[in-house]
This record gives sequence, C-alpha cells and structure tokens, in this order.
Amino acid sequence: GAGVSQSPSNKVTEKGKDVELRCDPISGHTALYWYRQSLGQGLEFLIYFQGNSAPDKSGLPSDRFSAERTGGSVSTLTIQRTQQEDSAVYLCASSKKEGTGGGLFGPGTRLTVT
Amino acid sequence: DQQVKQNSPSLSVQEGRISILNCDYTNSMFDYFLWYKKYPAEGPTFLISISSIKDKNEDGRFTVFLNKSAKHLSLHIVPSQPGDSAVYFCAASQIRDDKIIFGKGTRLHILP
Repeated sequence: GAGVSQSPSNKVTEKGKDVELRCDPISGHTALYWYRQSLGQGLEFLIYFQGNSAPDKSGLPSDRFSAERTGGSVSTLTIQRTQQEDSAVYLCASSKKEGTGGGLFGPGTRLTVT
Repeated sequence: DQQVKQNSPSLSVQEGRISILNCDYTNSMFDYFLWYKKYPAEGPTFLISISSIKDKNEDGRFTVFLNKSAKHLSLHIVPSQPGDSAVYFCAASQIRDDKIIFGKGTRLHILP
C-alpha cells in the first residue's frame, strides 16, 4: 500500500482482556515506532524497531505491553489484561534509516477499555 | 521527564496573520528536529524538519527556526489559513538512532 496501515481502526474491549493491534509499515522502511496518545496528552513513545537491532522498549509503560516485528515488516502490539488507563489512540509510524524526513504515521487504532 | 516541551497547549491566530508555535528541548544530544500536524481522527503528518547544522529551514508558508544555544525551536506559518487549524507536534531525535521524541502538542485555531 501507499502508506502505513493499522488495524483495527477501533477496538472496544472489557477490562482484563488481551488485545492485539497491528501495524503494516511502508515497504522498505526499516524503522517502526509505536506511540500512544491518551485524551488530552501528547504522543507518548512506546517502542522502536530498527532493522535487526534489538528493539528500544524503554517507553513501554508496564510488562503488560509487548510488541513484535516479524520479518522486519508487520508489527503487533499486544496489551495483556487491559486496564481502563490503557484507553488511547495507538499510533504506528515507519521511516527509512537515514533519519531524515521523520516517520510516516498510520491512522491509529482507538482502543477503549470498558 | 519531558525532553521536548510545548508549553502552550493552544493558540488562536487571525486568518492571514503569522502563527508562531514554540518548542523547547532539554537533551543536547538531539540533532534533528521535526514538526508534525495532526487533524482529528488522523495520524500525524510530517510538516517540516531541520538539522542542527542549520538555524532556519523554509518550505512555502512554513519556516522552522532553531536556536541551539537556547535549545529552542519555533514554527512560523505565514499567512495563516483556515486549513492550518490542527494540533502541531514538535519532535526531536538523534540522527544516529532515529528514535523520535514528541512534545505534547499545541492546538492552533485560525480565526476567520
């Protein structure tokens, strides 16, 4: 596709359930980022994948959060035992390694935990 | 610890006038700075960037200024147009490792 895609676009889940959010980056982009934006807040960095390097997980808020990137392409963000404070828009971005031009973002997944 | 700070949560500017959005950063290792624009229900879109070897970068109505000694950058939009109403995020990274850190954003309202 032409841009970064994310699925689902919206997800409503009950507290305590696990959720998986998917990101399809732009083909050829070696860097992939996950961010989240809670209501009234800025973009909070979660995790960063760059090629075959170990991911930078420094932004994950708790051990209930994990992410994988398979084959250097598609990424899945998993939240276990969801809590209401996990409700946010989860944004994925990808970029080329050169470090210029910034990341291109997907439309996001709006997660609501009831 | 906020490494990138946008201290104005919102800004209102008359159409046709100049909009100035400010951003401060604390990490002196940052060497690349970006501005993103975000409309509701959409992901942020890249607007303009500047590397630390420059102090100004211009693209049409958008100009970004960097003051490294003050660890401050600003985005100027002139003339402001109704379609500029959005949330603007300042971001910074080290080119070496690519991780982009965002500020909390400034909501810009362009008034008719």
